[in-house]
Amino acid sequence: EDQVTQSPEALRLQEGESSSLNCSYTVSGLRGLFWYRQDPGKGPEFLFTLYSAGEEKEKERLKATLTKKESFLHITAPKPEDSATYLCAVRTTGGGNKLTFGTGTQLKVEL
Amino acid sequence: DADVTQTPRNRITKTGKRIMLECSQTKGHDRMYWYRQDPGLGLRLIYYSFDVKDINKGEISDGYSVSRQAQAKFSLSLESAIPNQTALYFCATSDTGTGSADTQYFGPGTRLTVL
Repeated sequence: EDQVTQSPEALRLQEGESSSLNCSYTVSGLRGLFWYRQDPGKGPEFLFTLYSAGEEKEKERLKATLTKKESFLHITAPKPEDSATYLCAVRTTGGGNKLTFGTGTQLKVEL
Repeated sequence: DADVTQTPRNRITKTGKRIMLECSQTKGHDRMYWYRQDPGLGLRLIYYSFDVKDINKGEISDGYSVSRQAQAKFSLSLESAIPNQTALYFCATSDTGTGSADTQYFGPGTRLTVL
């Protein structure tokens, strides 16, 4: 059974304090790893897709990386507007187009 | 205007009532999905459709049914609502193909409460 585990569950940072969120996965065969951002009361907003180990993607203060067992979402010099829940999901070779989601990391960035 | 819209945004109903949640998209995507989100459980797939004539069950389809009325419209029904169906419901869409075309884009969600 495909599993996705995100850590930590919650993270509190000061503005400018860089950190990383972790997404570890156990799957039969990875076809893609997705990162989403979700604000309270809203739908998940797509951030990145990673397809193979060693791949990296960047967007503003966010950088996503992928290994064979896990993905990291690095947040450099975060701002309060980066506060949100960050979701990780995987698409696998045996899962069709189904996404298996982790439970998310709730990030709060304070002034 | 939003690419993926859901109606209603909030709904409170009673046990045993029939409820329909609607999703419309202007992205021109073939594939549409329904998920529910519960605290501590993450998003789980209820049903998905790859085109108007193709409907598939997800991991938690019991108690739900769907209708794909057109390429742009996908409705989720709860035939007889029960309290443990209280959750956030999200519609998503994706394009046909491989690679980056399989990214799913989500609507704003419907908060459903069953009393």
